[in-house]
Amino acid sequence: GAVVSQHPSWVICKSGTSVKIECRSLDFQATTMFWYRQFPKQSLMLMATSNEGSKATYEQGVEKDKFLINHASLTLSTLTVTSAHPEDSSFYICSATPSQGSPYEQYFGPGTRLTVT
Amino acid sequence: GIQVEQSPPDLILQEGANSTLRCNFSDSVNNLQWFHQNPWGQLINLFYIPSGTKQNGRLSATTVATERYSLLYISSSQTTDSGVYFCAVGVAGSYQLTFGKGTKLSVIP
Repeated sequence: GAVVSQHPSWVICKSGTSVKIECRSLDFQATTMFWYRQFPKQSLMLMATSNEGSKATYEQGVEKDKFLINHASLTLSTLTVTSAHPEDSSFYICSATPSQGSPYEQYFGPGTRLTVT
Repeated sequence: GIQVEQSPPDLILQEGANSTLRCNFSDSVNNLQWFHQNPWGQLINLFYIPSGTKQNGRLSATTVATERYSLLYISSSQTTDSGVYFCAVGVAGSYQLTFGKGTKLSVIP
């Protein structure tokens, strides 16, 4: 149980275009979903927290107009990187907390590797 | 914010050896999780252990919340145990996790 999927697994896009990444909880409803980014050989950094039906809360230094997050249902959150630039190239990982059980335990998706050329 | 320190940063083991990974944190926590990140980037939940001791096969973990540390034990290591082990903590009033920098484990045959 507690499986989280992400789509796509990897994506290459040209500078200036937008990319949408989907995060789905497959076998549970998720009250809260989180988005992280990870640079090579570094740890995970939280970008934003999203709750179904409300606006996402962004961490300091994360541009909300660049990284658009939509949490339209209890099983789906999307991250759109708008007007992507090479410095946005990174590994993006989502996580979700089940609405039943511990409200603190997070389950992670397999990640999406974004390369902007 | 809370600080999370993991040690050692790198660890090389011969297959079959045992190891202990440590996670120190700077404040009281109500959430502590250990993860294994495999070579493809997937984070695998190992333990949700804000306090106490748990065991799962060759892995076990202990968190001493009053002394602000947690330990992950790996016994009889296998090459498939290679990867990065992360400790992540959360504080009261928040559902967010703060990650340590990880311990990179390499198990050689």
